Amino acid sequence: DAGVIQSPRHEVTEMGQEVTLRCKPISGHDYLFWYRQTMMRGLELLIYFNNNVPIDDSGMPEDRFSAKMPNASFSTLKIQPSEPRDSAVYFCASSLTAFNEKLFFGSGTQLSVL
Amino acid sequence: RKEVEQDPGPFNVPEGATVAFNCTYSNSASQSFFWYRQDCRKEPKLLMSVYSSGNEDGRFTAQLNRASQYISLLIRDSKLSDSATYLCVVTTSGTYKYIFGTGTRLKVLA
Repeated sequence: DAGVIQSPRHEVTEMGQEVTLRCKPISGHDYLFWYRQTMMRGLELLIYFNNNVPIDDSGMPEDRFSAKMPNASFSTLKIQPSEPRDSAVYFCASSLTAFNEKLFFGSGTQLSVL
Repeated sequence: RKEVEQDPGPFNVPEGATVAFNCTYSNSASQSFFWYRQDCRKEPKLLMSVYSSGNEDGRFTAQLNRASQYISLLIRDSKLSDSATYLCVVTTSGTYKYIFGTGTRLKVLA
């Protein structure tokens, strides 16, 4: 299996632009998670899906952030408009089921908003 | 108070040393516990789960203390390759949210 695939690996954009991050989970995994990592705050859970349905989006910072999972093999995290404070590494992870399950992370997207 | 707290370190230890990290969690309903390892500029990867009775995997030993609400990770005979950030992860009963600590950085010195 190719593992969790994220794109792009790096994204540099200007403040106010729309940013779309993409994730392909491992086939057969029912759960998909989006995390953001910064030096100050560590890894923060933004949202997670079960069988393509958003379950908990309480970690989404504000309305500028949105996430979708139109099918079992694809998810997007969109920021519109982007701001410099959104600069971080964004990780997508998937797991087969829920509790006591190993999370498989993608390589992350390094986002820089200038 | 953060849900999961860790000493950020860095812990600088010589090769062959034994080093231990603790992680405290605030929610007494926490159900599952893990240690993940993250190398610089890489994604986190599962190191080991933490079971109530404690568990060992080679040079690594994990312990859970529910009464005091902390988990620990002990690394024996440290190797240069153990240099990384160690992340404590907790899930809470009724949710499927994996909450990460900010990590403890370990540097093993030659």
